[in-house]
Amino acid sequence: AQSVSQHNHHVILSEAASLELGCNYSYGGTVNLFWYVQYPGQHLQLLLKYFSGDPLVKGIKGFEAEFIKSKFSFNLRKPSVQWSDTAEYFCAVTQFSGGYNKLIFGAGTRLAVHP
Amino acid sequence: GAGVSQTPSNKVTEKGKYVELRCDPISGHTALYWYRQSLGQGPEFLIYFQGTGAADDSGLPNDRFFAVRPEGSVSTLKIQRTERGDSAVYLCASSLGTSGNDEQFFGPGTRLTVL
Repeated sequence: AQSVSQHNHHVILSEAASLELGCNYSYGGTVNLFWYVQYPGQHLQLLLKYFSGDPLVKGIKGFEAEFIKSKFSFNLRKPSVQWSDTAEYFCAVTQFSGGYNKLIFGAGTRLAVHP
Repeated sequence: GAGVSQTPSNKVTEKGKYVELRCDPISGHTALYWYRQSLGQGPEFLIYFQGTGAADDSGLPNDRFFAVRPEGSVSTLKIQRTERGDSAVYLCASSLGTSGNDEQFFGPGTRLTVL
């Protein structure tokens, strides 16, 4: 069965620091990869996704992620975080089958950015 | 509204009671998903509907859980004989359903507490 590991459960940064959140998945076949974000009091929303093509994916709000197939990784990065990036971040993977995507999520990383 | 809505936002019940959780997907979305998010975990897949039919119910934990979508729009997740371990946030998501690459849009969730 597929699984997703997010290595950092809590991350605390100061504004302008660089961010990298780790994500590894366990499936050797073709996968779709996602990062979702949940801001305080809001619902889950898509940050970025990778289906195929360029392994460096750019998302909203200056986030990017790199798919490294050999490492089964899809790490999220941002060069300079802002206080408004305080949120919980979830990595997810799907194995496309039968025309739909059943998302398998990691446990999440809670990011706190201090001004 | 433009997004996925879920009612109630909070539900407190006693062990052994029956509960129903409702999801209104985005208009025109034929695919609907239910997920469950326990404290400190990422969302876990429960069931997927394409139109009126449950195409994949492999994530339902046991036969106390059941979901319907009789007219291919609103869906209801039903839990019988609730147990304390059912306490979680139940999330609904919908997508266009035309392709496995369709983005899933999440609702705000229903927080279920079983006393």
